Amino acid sequence: SQQGEEDPQALSIQEGENATMNCSYKTSINNLQWYRQNSGRGLVHLILIRSNEREKHSGRLRVTLDTSKKSSSLLITASRAADTASYFCATTNAGNMLTFGGGTRLMVKP
Amino acid sequence: GAVVSQHPSRVICKSGTSVKIECRSLDFQATTMFWYRQFPKKSLMLMATSNEGSKATYEQGVEKDKFLINHASLTLSTLTVTSAHPEDSSFYICSATGLLAGGTQYFGPGTRLLVL
Repeated sequence: SQQGEEDPQALSIQEGENATMNCSYKTSINNLQWYRQNSGRGLVHLILIRSNEREKHSGRLRVTLDTSKKSSSLLITASRAADTASYFCATTNAGNMLTFGGGTRLMVKP
Repeated sequence: GAVVSQHPSRVICKSGTSVKIECRSLDFQATTMFWYRQFPKKSLMLMATSNEGSKATYEQGVEKDKFLINHASLTLSTLTVTSAHPEDSSFYICSATGLLAGGTQYFGPGTRLLVL
């Protein structure tokens, strides 16, 4: 099965800085989604970008999708300590099944 | 967004016992529910997909007789870990989607299972 890979695996930044996380996948997709998970908690859906879209914004989040490179990036601008969490990308194929990447653990230091 | 609940949030059981985890969609009809397993600091691994009223489809390597999934209604799916062993200890997360969900899966808060 396809498996997304995320890069970096861990990221530590200072509050106020921007955080960029990348996700690569292997096969064609219908859409790509980003999720956030606080330690030991469930997932929170952040943003969905369809395969025919190239960029999407939601508040301080900016997601890009490059289907030719099979990659996506999540940018969090002006990070806050509360943004500390693990971030996962997940791709959806025609069967509407999610396949998750390995995740990026983001730590934002106050 | 839509709300999905899981119960219990944590469970500790003795080896050999069975544990049932419930996943409920509270404000929409979930035609499809998914069960995931997550090991510490790892990503989510899809265990099975269940469509309301049908038998669940299990991913390769997941024992269907060990992880019994029932999706008898549009708002409830259950995962029963039968004869649990310590290696079954994990974080189990369900998600739900439906016709009105627009392709989005809504995740439950997860259930942490510890088998002693």
